[in-house]
Formats: sequence, structure tokens, C-alpha cells
Amino acid sequence: ETGVTQTPRHLVMGMTNKKSLKCEQHLGHNAMYWYKQSAKKPLELMFVYSYEKLSINESVPSRFSPECPNSSHLFLHLHTLQPEDSALYLCASSLGQGGTGELFFGEGSRLTVL
Amino acid sequence: DAKTTQPTSMDCAEGRAANLPCNHSTISGNEYVYWYRQIHSQGPQYIIHGLKNNETNEMASLIITEDRKSSTLILPHATLRDTAVYYCIVRVGFGNEKLTFGTGTRLTIIP
Repeated sequence: ETGVTQTPRHLVMGMTNKKSLKCEQHLGHNAMYWYKQSAKKPLELMFVYSYEKLSINESVPSRFSPECPNSSHLFLHLHTLQPEDSALYLCASSLGQGGTGELFFGEGSRLTVL
Repeated sequence: DAKTTQPTSMDCAEGRAANLPCNHSTISGNEYVYWYRQIHSQGPQYIIHGLKNNETNEMASLIITEDRKSSTLILPHATLRDTAVYYCIVRVGFGNEKLTFGTGTRLTIIP
């Protein structure tokens, strides 16, 4: 139990669907992250929010849209995805400035795009 | 952030010490060494980090060479639950938000 909760844990969607992944932390952290892990590939950083502002976007396609309404919640909105977007999507949080640099990860949301 | 090199895979007998090496020959003076592990289909878990001194916590020890070009993560008494992919990452200080994962070392603990 890391204190970072992701829902849903599993999601199957068609290419024309719109869905969202949710991440929640009540650790008092100020930075939140989305990572993507495809089969047999390293984790890829997608987005970083710092104090609710998008600070890093690793050139992610626009069919992935992040949202951080407050410091405890992070969403990843998905629309018109491709089968190659099937992956494990991991959310993480950290204290940010003044912290130890440690990231706390959720269990991930496994996405399958048909 | 500096690049790291780790062996692709390692085996270790249960109950023995697991020593996982990492080369980071281009590390800068303000970069820390972090270790994470990822048990199958779970999110990565922080293990330990250090700058230049050796570090120990309840999970592991981190030995950093004097020139800081390499380090070793030591799991003193490996158990089957330590089977995982172990990632060595170097990154600038605490203020840097970017943590870049490589391919890591797949450690298998043998009964």
C-alpha cells in the first residue's frame, strides 16, 4: 500500500471510445506523474504536474489528455486510441521541492485497446 | 540525467546476499543514485538512494565507489519475494521532477 490509488485497474476500450483513468493520493504530495509501460519496454514518462500545473509533457500524442484539478487527483483522458496504446499506465506522486525525490507509484491501470 | 548500465539478468540463491551492480560513469557531481524495483505487474517501489556515502535502510544497502562511477545495491538475505526488475537511476538532486527508467536487471531468487 503506497498511498497512491489508481482506478480502474483494468480497462478494455474500442478505438472510438472515450474513457478516463483516475489517480488519487492523500500523501500531501505536490507533484504527480503519468508513466506508460508497454510490454517488454522500459517505463516511459508521459506527463508531470507540479503544484497542479503541467510542467513536463514528453511529446505525448493529443489523444492522451491529462488533467489535475487539485493536488490530490490526476486524470488521464483517453480518446480515439490505437491498439498500440495498450499498456500499463502508472501514476506516481512525490513531495516535489524539498522532498527526497522518492516517487510513490500506484498499482497501475492495464489498458487494452481493441 | 546520466545514463546507467546494468546487467540484463541475475540469479541469486535464497538466503544469500544479492549484489546488483550499476555503472554510471558519466554521473555529474550533483546527481544522486536511486534504486527502484518492480515486482511483476505492480508499480515500481523505491528502495534507496545516495549521493556519495554508503547508505543502508531496512530494505537494502547502497555502496557507491569513491569516484562515483559505479554502485552496488545489496539485498543482504534475499527471499523469493525479492524476485523483481531492479532499476538504477541517476538524477539531479531533489528538485528535479524527472525520473527516467532504463531496462533494469531482472533478479531471480532461486529456492
